[in-house]
Amino acid sequence: EVQLVESGGGLVKPGGSLRLSCAASGFSFRTYSMNWVRQAPGKGLEWVSSISSSSSYIYYADSVKGRFTISRDNAKNSLYLQMNSLRAEDTAVYYCARDQTPDYGMDVWGQGTTVTVSS
Amino acid sequence: DIQMTQSPSSLSTSVGDRVTITCRASQGISNYLAWFQQKPGKAPKSLIYAASSLQSGVPSKFSGSGSGTDFTLTISSLQPEDFATYYCQQYIGYPWTFGQGTKVEIK
Repeated sequence: EVQLVESGGGLVKPGGSLRLSCAASGFSFRTYSMNWVRQAPGKGLEWVSSISSSSSYIYYADSVKGRFTISRDNAKNSLYLQMNSLRAEDTAVYYCARDQTPDYGMDVWGQGTTVTVSS
Repeated sequence: DIQMTQSPSSLSTSVGDRVTITCRASQGISNYLAWFQQKPGKAPKSLIYAASSLQSGVPSKFSGSGSGTDFTLTISSLQPEDFATYYCQQYIGYPWTFGQGTKVEIK
């Protein structure tokens, strides 16, 4: 079964840091691009970051550029999001999602992990 | 950035009805358009990719159409499990962007 499981969320103070993880199973992780998408409470979906299969190409939303870093470890079938200088507006459920192919977009999503930034 | 605008933002409808949701891109995106369904407290689920291709396992009552700037998602004969929020998303270029969502509620 193809599965993505996020972890690492929690409560953090403004200015703090957090590292999210996404464990992949049931497919050849090393051959797929991966993404992070977030959803603030009561709001819509917001794309955060994408990374290609070999980490050669990385993209960020302007709202997180310079503060968040996406990475992956293909040997561990894992995707990461290092979040620094966190702000209240980063409070959201963070989902990892797999790219089918560049022409087909995202297909499989994890269940999400909640990040709350509050003093 | 490409803006994605969905209409309506919400709709009330009855079981068995046919529903059409529209998504408009601020510039041409060819067919790089996906549709997702999200139920409260759950992760989004992929329904449609490449504007009109059904994801594996998604029932054929869901269909997508369009190209360029105008797209539609149609749900034929709405069932109780279809009441949810639906999002369109473009992936032709970064930053990827989503529509604001369409909440489909029971009348």
